[in-house]
Amino acid sequence: SQKIEQNSEALNIQEGKTATLTCNYTNYSPAYLQWYRQDPGRGPVFLLLIRENEKEKRKERLKVTFDTTLKQSLFHITASQPADSATYLCALESGAGSYQLTFGKGTKLSVIP
Amino acid sequence: NAGVTQTPKFQVLKTGQSMTLQCAQDMNHEYMSWYRQDPGMGLRLIHYSVGAGITDQGEVPNGYNVSRSTTEDFPLRLLSAAPSQTSVYFCASSNRDTTEAFFGQGTRLTVV
Repeated sequence: SQKIEQNSEALNIQEGKTATLTCNYTNYSPAYLQWYRQDPGRGPVFLLLIRENEKEKRKERLKVTFDTTLKQSLFHITASQPADSATYLCALESGAGSYQLTFGKGTKLSVIP
Repeated sequence: NAGVTQTPKFQVLKTGQSMTLQCAQDMNHEYMSWYRQDPGMGLRLIHYSVGAGITDQGEVPNGYNVSRSTTEDFPLRLLSAAPSQTSVYFCASSNRDTTEAFFGQGTRLTVV
């Protein structure tokens, strides 16, 4: 079965720096990968989707890369702010044409002023 | 639009009791799903539905039932609550075009 690993449970960075979060997966080649943000006591909120034929996607201060050879996605937040502090989840679609998503356990990001 | 609405927000049950967690969406999404989130385990899929009248099991379906009689509603039933079902439950919906999942605010369930 497919496996997703977000290799840091927690990441602390200084305000203004770039945060980089990693998502690795095995046993599968997903058609797309998504990133979500989750604040304490709230449901996850969709941030970005990147498809297998896309190398990079940007949205404001967010950038996602997708390397299907390495089976890895990197999620970057540039010029990080304390308001970016949250848990970030990556998710893979679970099968061709499937709506199902398999989620990683998340990385808790803390941006220190 | 309200998006995905879950009720209740908090619930305490005694072992052996049954209850239904409600989920409704107003975005006309075909796909709806239920997840549970436990510390250190991430989000795990319980059941899902690809349309009215169609449901299927996810990764951790035991002890739960679902039905989908309308596009809007997807209730999750706990048949006989156990302490192992203490968790935070999230309902989500999505459609074929965008695939992004919209989540409810969650139900925090404690079984004592």
